[in-house]
Amino acid sequence: GAVVSQHPSWVICKSGTSVKIECRSLDFQATTMFWYRQFPKQSLMLMATSNEGSKATYEQGVEKDKFLINHASLTLSTLTVTSAHPEDSSFYICSARLLQGTTGELFFGEGSRLTVL
Amino acid sequence: TQLLEQSPQFLSIQEGENLTVYCNSSSVFSSLQWYRQEPGEGPVLLVTVVTGGEVKKLKRLTFQFGDARKDSSLHITAAQPGDTGLYLCAGLNSNSGYALNFGKGTSLLVTP
Repeated sequence: GAVVSQHPSWVICKSGTSVKIECRSLDFQATTMFWYRQFPKQSLMLMATSNEGSKATYEQGVEKDKFLINHASLTLSTLTVTSAHPEDSSFYICSARLLQGTTGELFFGEGSRLTVL
Repeated sequence: TQLLEQSPQFLSIQEGENLTVYCNSSSVFSSLQWYRQEPGEGPVLLVTVVTGGEVKKLKRLTFQFGDARKDSSLHITAAQPGDTGLYLCAGLNSNSGYALNFGKGTSLLVTP
């Protein structure tokens, strides 16, 4: 089946630093990828829709200048948490759709756990 | 906004018991999906239900899509400790590039 891979799996950083998380579709091309954030014992909250070759679309309440998304190729989207603070500590998960359109199955990465000290 | 409400939020049962998790919305969905997530991992798709009234079975798991396509349920028969995890229902969000909107999830603990 289709595979979506995230890197790193976990990262610990100091407050004020920036962290980049990569999301790759390993065996298919994805024009659209989605970034979610999940706090402990809570559900996945959509942060933004990443579109290849264009600007990401952010959900209400998500700061686009803090969570920079770049989708430079059909197999890679990156999420950069800029000037991270402890409240940004969370589990970040990306997903990609196998097929164009709305009916293709979404595949999820393994997630990246960010801890900001 | 297409909201999905799940209940119960937490469930702790003993091995061998049956349980049902509900997913409800005021919106109509073209399809609903159920996922299971282990701690520290991404969610894994269990099933997609598309047709109103549809029932799908996956071993001891039975999924049902409401006739009006606004609600769904997941029934587990004779739960086992290996069923422990977070169960999430999700529907396509037509306002966000057809991303998935997730319910709040049901955290299930099955003890031996």
